[in-house]
Amino acid sequence: RKEVEQDPGPFNVPEGATVAFNCTYSNSASQSFFWYRQDCRKEPKLLMSVYSSGNEDGRFTAQLNRASQYISLLIRDSKLSDSATYLCVVNWSPGNTGKLIFGQGTTLQVKP
Amino acid sequence: DGGITQSPKYLFRKEGQNVTLSCEQNLNHDAMYWYRQDPGQGLRLIYYSQIVNDFQKGDIAEGYSVSREKKESFPLTVTSAQKNPTAFYLCASSSTGSFTDTQYFGPGTRLTVL
Repeated sequence: RKEVEQDPGPFNVPEGATVAFNCTYSNSASQSFFWYRQDCRKEPKLLMSVYSSGNEDGRFTAQLNRASQYISLLIRDSKLSDSATYLCVVNWSPGNTGKLIFGQGTTLQVKP
Repeated sequence: DGGITQSPKYLFRKEGQNVTLSCEQNLNHDAMYWYRQDPGQGLRLIYYSQIVNDFQKGDIAEGYSVSREKKESFPLTVTSAQKNPTAFYLCASSSTGSFTDTQYFGPGTRLTVL
């Protein structure tokens, strides 16, 4: 089993749609969780951290389910500019080092 | 304007040559990282450094070497021993290297071995 797994997609949705991505992780001791966005041939950029209580930033909502070991990202009212690859990232390592484990990414295409 | 810079943006290398990728940050971050990204795969950690003059191997360190002589600089050398070096290389930094810190990425270097 991969340490972090995502459905690679692509997810093709019309503008204005609501779309949700899930990500599962294998290490129950994982402590920190993030969603990064990566545009084609660019570097990843932090979209949002994921907290145990869930958190929202505008049209984006992230949820964490520790019992089932998955995190989710919900995008409401999709825009053309949301088209990108979304990387699920889990951070855990012995000795408190900053090792990030990246999923392969889920590609979103928003169509007019 | 704070950030992370990487150079060059594109690099072509002949087989058997060593090449060095530059990474500089002016964020005053203690920790720096090198990742490799291949198509359809997640980023994989090559090396990381939490403090000047110290660094540790990541998951795929074979065929690579690094140095951390200055806080702001963390160059990566891809040696001829790396069997499949063509990839997108990303440098990142974080404030302290704690697992709660956000990592910020540079724009990357695309290395192609001819």
